[in-house]
Amino acid sequence: DIQMTQSPSSLSASIGERVIITCQASQVISDSLAWFQQKPGKAPKLLVYVASRLETGVPSRFTGRGSGTDFTLTITSLQAEDSAIYYCQQYYSIPYTFGQGTKLEIK
Amino acid sequence: QVQLEQSGSEVRKPGASVKVSCKASGYTFAVYSMHWVRQAPGQGLEWMGWINPNTGDTTYAQNFQGRVTMTRDTSISTAYMELNRLRFDDTAIYYCARDVGFNYGTFDHCGQGTLVSVSS
Repeated sequence: DIQMTQSPSSLSASIGERVIITCQASQVISDSLAWFQQKPGKAPKLLVYVASRLETGVPSRFTGRGSGTDFTLTITSLQAEDSAIYYCQQYYSIPYTFGQGTKLEIK
Repeated sequence: QVQLEQSGSEVRKPGASVKVSCKASGYTFAVYSMHWVRQAPGQGLEWMGWINPNTGDTTYAQNFQGRVTMTRDTSISTAYMELNRLRFDDTAIYYCARDVGFNYGTFDHCGQGTLVSVSS
């Protein structure tokens, strides 16, 4: 199975700041990488897929980059509503696997 | 708009089975593969497998092989996930999730989740 490792596990930032979450795959996954946002008690929400393609309706302050094994999700101009857990997911090979999550707290 | 409506919470004893349903609306059910993903309390996301609603073909994660069965009824646009021989660590929220396309591998819409509790 492909292991997905996210860092950091948690972070705290202020409104208006920029944060970067990284995701590393244990083997090459091309650009078969998605990012999800999950708020408490809610289902995960797709933000980005194909590593950098923004899902319809997702604010442009979310940016995905990367290919191969190393990927990033950048959130600029942080808003209060960005407080959530963020997961990366590889869909290059079955079983599709997720990172352990990054908890983002807004100060 | 796309909606996935899941069945309600379930409580089962160890060794029992549970079947969760997911009724789709707002799109052509047969065109998009359906994933099942679960999340144990306070834990991350775990992919269980998927079904091609058009053909009924399934692929399961090795962790669930032999215990999970995914089916569908195209006449009522509903997908099902049945998990057998339940264990305490199967306690989780189970989500159905529509693939972004046909066997793309990731998903753009989720059901509200179904809590399955395994307790003696």
